[in-house]
Amino acid sequence: EAGVAQSPRYKIIEKRQSVAFWCNPISGHATLYWYQQILGQGPKLLIQFQNNGVVDDSQLPKDRFSAERLKGVDSTLKIQPAKLEDSAVYLCASSLLREEAFFGQGTRLTVV
Amino acid sequence: DQQVKQNSPSLSVQEGRISILNCDYTNSMFDYFLWYKKYPAEGPTFLISISSIKDKNEDGRFTVFLNKSAKHLSLHIVPSQPGDSAVYFCAASFERNEKLTFGTGTRLTIIP
Repeated sequence: EAGVAQSPRYKIIEKRQSVAFWCNPISGHATLYWYQQILGQGPKLLIQFQNNGVVDDSQLPKDRFSAERLKGVDSTLKIQPAKLEDSAVYLCASSLLREEAFFGQGTRLTVV
Repeated sequence: DQQVKQNSPSLSVQEGRISILNCDYTNSMFDYFLWYKKYPAEGPTFLISISSIKDKNEDGRFTVFLNKSAKHLSLHIVPSQPGDSAVYFCAASFERNEKLTFGTGTRLTIIP
């Protein structure tokens, strides 16, 4: 079974630039999550989708972050414009209903 | 407000001995608890979970204990093996398949 795929693996951008991350969940997983993990901290949920609907985006900084999940499969997370404090690993995860989440390898973003 | 806490940033254990990782939480509404293991440059991998209706769950060398009155859970690994060296995250949710609140992680090193 293929795991959660994320790209790119690494990205370096200057502050105020834009960046986008892509996630392809495990086939058949209706629930998709984006987490942000800042160095030295645990992952923090940014947004949760159930199929293509948003379940929870209470911790998403909506003035600069946006996410979509077209057709209930792939998802993209965008930051526009980026700030220095956005430097983190962005993790995508997916799950079946009422099952544990499987994580991708993450995208390490460095904002300089 | 750190609702899930792992107060030991690191732990070293001799190979073959027992590793005990601890986690405390503050929100009594948490109903489901999980442990994830993370190797460098990889996403977290689900290890074991426990529902609040239980006080113990075992899976091979891994056992999770839950003490609801103390709002404390622990992960026991017996016997510890070199491949167990990783960062371990404790996580909690209000329901299974709901967003996870993670601790800051404990880096476990198994000494051969």
